[in-house]
Amino acid sequence: AQTVTQSQPEMSVQEAETVTLSCTYDTSESDYYLFWYKQPPSRQMILVIRQEAYKQQNATENRFSVNFQKAAKSFSLKISDSQLGDAAMYFCAYRQTLQGAQKLVFGQGTRLTINP
Amino acid sequence: ETGVTQSPTHLIKTRGQQVTLRCSSQSGHNTVSWYQQALGQGPQFIFQYYREEENGRGNFPPRFSGLQFPNYSSELNVNALELDDSALYLCASSQGQGARETQYFGPGTRLLVL
Repeated sequence: AQTVTQSQPEMSVQEAETVTLSCTYDTSESDYYLFWYKQPPSRQMILVIRQEAYKQQNATENRFSVNFQKAAKSFSLKISDSQLGDAAMYFCAYRQTLQGAQKLVFGQGTRLTINP
Repeated sequence: ETGVTQSPTHLIKTRGQQVTLRCSSQSGHNTVSWYQQALGQGPQFIFQYYREEENGRGNFPPRFSGLQFPNYSSELNVNALELDDSALYLCASSQGQGARETQYFGPGTRLLVL
């Protein structure tokens, strides 16, 4: 079964600096999708970025980028120029096909604090 | 905002009762998934509905059931509530079943079972 591990329960960073959140996963599949979701105190899970495993190029979305290491099964998120609004829980997720359904398998999350 | 809405926002029930949670999908989306998020945990997949049929289920007992309507809105029903059912329940909609489809989440319903 696929598992997703986030080894950093909490991280903090100074405003305007860069922070990297770690994620590792376990799978025997060769083609899959990985995601980073952000969950602020409002509770709504917001998609930050996604990566397709067959693409070697790392995905980027403005200040957010990933370091995807397929052989190491590692998928870290880098946030540049951190802003106060980036404070939230961040979840790494793997998409798995189950009985025809596309389910997301989430890690335990990393709580990111931004210090002004 | 994702366009996915859920109701109610909060709910308090007692053990043994039944509860119905509702989800309205983003316009154009025909697939809805439900997740349970216990405090301090990542969400866990309950089941998914595609065109009104359940097409995948996680490790949840049969007292967790669902419906999807022709307008693609959805309900999650939980019977015989237990204390451990206290959690945030999230629904997510997507446009179809393809592996490329992204799931967009609603704000969730916080359920407390006493």
